[in-house]
Amino acid sequence: NAGVTQTPKFQVLKTGQSMTLQCAQDMNHEYMSWYRQDPGMGLRLIHYSVGAGITDQGEVPNGYNVSRSTTEDFPLRLLSAAPSQTSVYFCASSLSRRSAYEQYFGPGTRLTVT
Amino acid sequence: KQEVTQIPAALSVPEGENLVLNCSFTDSAIYNLQWFRQDPGKGLTSLLLIQSSQREQTSGRLNASLDKSSGRSTLYIAASQPGDSATYLCAVSNSGYSTLTFGKGTMLLVSP
Repeated sequence: NAGVTQTPKFQVLKTGQSMTLQCAQDMNHEYMSWYRQDPGMGLRLIHYSVGAGITDQGEVPNGYNVSRSTTEDFPLRLLSAAPSQTSVYFCASSLSRRSAYEQYFGPGTRLTVT
Repeated sequence: KQEVTQIPAALSVPEGENLVLNCSFTDSAIYNLQWFRQDPGKGLTSLLLIQSSQREQTSGRLNASLDKSSGRSTLYIAASQPGDSATYLCAVSNSGYSTLTFGKGTMLLVSP
C-alpha cells in the first residue's frame, strides 16, 4: 500500500491564481480530511469527508473547496490564491468516519503564494 | 471550543534519559486522544491512540496515559535515543467523527 499520497510536494502561486492539491489513499478509508499547518498555529482542519459524495467544513474553510467523487480521492481547490494561504497542507485518512481509528497523514504540500 | 495545550514547547535531553511530554485539553468530553510524531519537513506518523474508556496505551518504549476527567495526557519515552528527536503532537477528537483538534507540539532534541 502507498498509504496517503499528495501532489505536488511544492508549489508557488501568484495571488489570484487557482490550483488543486491532490490527495489519494489506497486503503479504502471512509474518512478523509485536509489540514493546514502554520508556525505558531498548529494544525487546523479545513474540510473533511465521511464518504464519497459527503463533505463538510472544518475550522478554516474560507477560500477552499472540496469534493469527493470516489472513495480514494479528495482534492482541495484554491479558487483565488491569497498570501494568507501560504502554508503546509496535509491530507489525512481514517478507516471509518467514527473516531475509534487512528489517522494516517500524507507527506504534505508546501504552498507559497506571492 | 476545545483547546489543546502541550508543555513544554521544546525539550533538550541527553541520550538515555526517560522523559515525559504533557498534553492538556479544556473539554473533557473526548472520544479519543492520539499522539503523533512529525519529523522536519515530513508528515505526521501516528504513535498511540487512546480511546476515552482507556487509561493508557503502550508501544515499545512509548507509554501514553489519559486522565479524561482532569483533561490531561502524558507521553512517556523511556531510554531516549537521538532517533527520537522530532516534534510530538497531541490531538483529541470531540465528536463521534474523526475530526481532530491539535496542540502546537513539543519539539524534542535528544543529543548523543
